[in-house]
Amino acid sequence: NAGVTQTPKFQVLKTGQSMTLQCAQDMNHNSMYWYRQDPGMGLRLIYYSASEGTTDKGEVPNGYNVSRLNKREFSLRLESAAPSQTSVYFCASSYTPTGELFFGEGSRLTVL
Amino acid sequence: AQRVTQPEKLLSVFKGAPVELKCNYSYSGSPELFWYVQYSRQRLQLLLRHISRESIKGFTADLNKGETSFHLKKPFAQEEDSAMYYCALSPVSGNTGKLIFGQGTTLQVKP
Repeated sequence: NAGVTQTPKFQVLKTGQSMTLQCAQDMNHNSMYWYRQDPGMGLRLIYYSASEGTTDKGEVPNGYNVSRLNKREFSLRLESAAPSQTSVYFCASSYTPTGELFFGEGSRLTVL
Repeated sequence: AQRVTQPEKLLSVFKGAPVELKCNYSYSGSPELFWYVQYSRQRLQLLLRHISRESIKGFTADLNKGETSFHLKKPFAQEEDSAMYYCALSPVSGNTGKLIFGQGTTLQVKP
């Protein structure tokens, strides 16, 4: 039982490149989330998916797109990376919208 | 604006001393508040939520609506309590995954 798994764990991109962060959970959770963590700013919600087939914007969605591929997987895409997107990205899931959040280990992205 | 403020970046105490990690929030409705913790080389995890009114690992937190605070307390700190602590608020009733986090406080418990 791996919980929430994120790939890759580390990535370096050049400005303008695209990439997708993958997230999968094996806990049969319905809700999934993407957060970013920046020094001195805590975690901020980028996008979330309350249930399979739905996605919605969080606090800082600009520059990102998401896909809820199925119940297990929720990916985050950067179409044209910018240095301001250098951050640590966390995926999380919960069984219900009111349930405890379970986090992945994080993905550290650097955009040069 | 909805906001969570943790005024201390770093809190350093000796083992056995009392600990209070401060959290203040700004929210116009009835908030749901949480403390999450990240130990070294571990994932961020829920420590406690105010509606459960539990004591977890000796920590308690009381919601004070008058002072808009949700401070985390422990009477006697242990070295294993050293970690990063985040206070978080859920601004949408019924969806606790949409959290607003504070900046985090690193708790360092010295032997």
